[in-house]
Amino acid sequence: QSVLTQPPSTSGTPGQRVTISCSGSNSNIGSNPVNWYQQLPGTAPKVLIYSNNQRPSGVPDRFSGSKSGTSASLAISGLQSEDEADYYCAAWDDSLSAWVFGGGTKLTVL
Amino acid sequence: QEQLVESGGGVVQPGRSLRLSCAASGFTLTTYAMHWVRQAPGKGLAWVALISYDGSDKFYADSVKGRFTISRDNSRNTLYLQMNSLRADDTAVYYCASSIVVAAAFDYWGQGTLVTVSS
Repeated sequence: QSVLTQPPSTSGTPGQRVTISCSGSNSNIGSNPVNWYQQLPGTAPKVLIYSNNQRPSGVPDRFSGSKSGTSASLAISGLQSEDEADYYCAAWDDSLSAWVFGGGTKLTVL
Repeated sequence: QEQLVESGGGVVQPGRSLRLSCAASGFTLTTYAMHWVRQAPGKGLAWVALISYDGSDKFYADSVKGRFTISRDNSRNTLYLQMNSLRADDTAVYYCASSIVVAAAFDYWGQGTLVTVSS
């Protein structure tokens, strides 16, 4: 059971907009920034969004992040086939003194 | 080009030990906090341990506390994970990752090394 809760899967058609939720608590998302990672099949994860809503250079602006209270969301607009991947949220947990991840969401592009 | 390369994975019997290494190239680890993150077969990511840039602070996931030790040798630009008393549920791909500070996002990741704990 992951400390952060994500839906196991979601799907969309090319061009569509999808969102992935990440629910936590006061000790993690409620107190610290949220980061999102994308893991393409058979590859290492890479940072997609950091500090709730910041994109590293090279990440398309189709990807956006937001946070409110103890929840965060990742939105992907203009869905493309190459977006098919697993997506993970993560945050530092003050009570555990540990990084915690969500269980991951598998995005399928239909 | 910044790169992290893990090594040291393999098949090990339950109860035995293994040491993983993570070598950096294209940048110096000296100014980065470093992490180990693992992924069991078919499962999600799980953070394992972190060490501050100078080695003064170390944190561990409860699942490995007392069994695993994270360390670094900045003169060799290398991170380590000493894993003792290995169990079957430690079987995973182990990734090393860097972050600007302890509480920042993991910006660079290695390609991972597979550890299989089996008799």
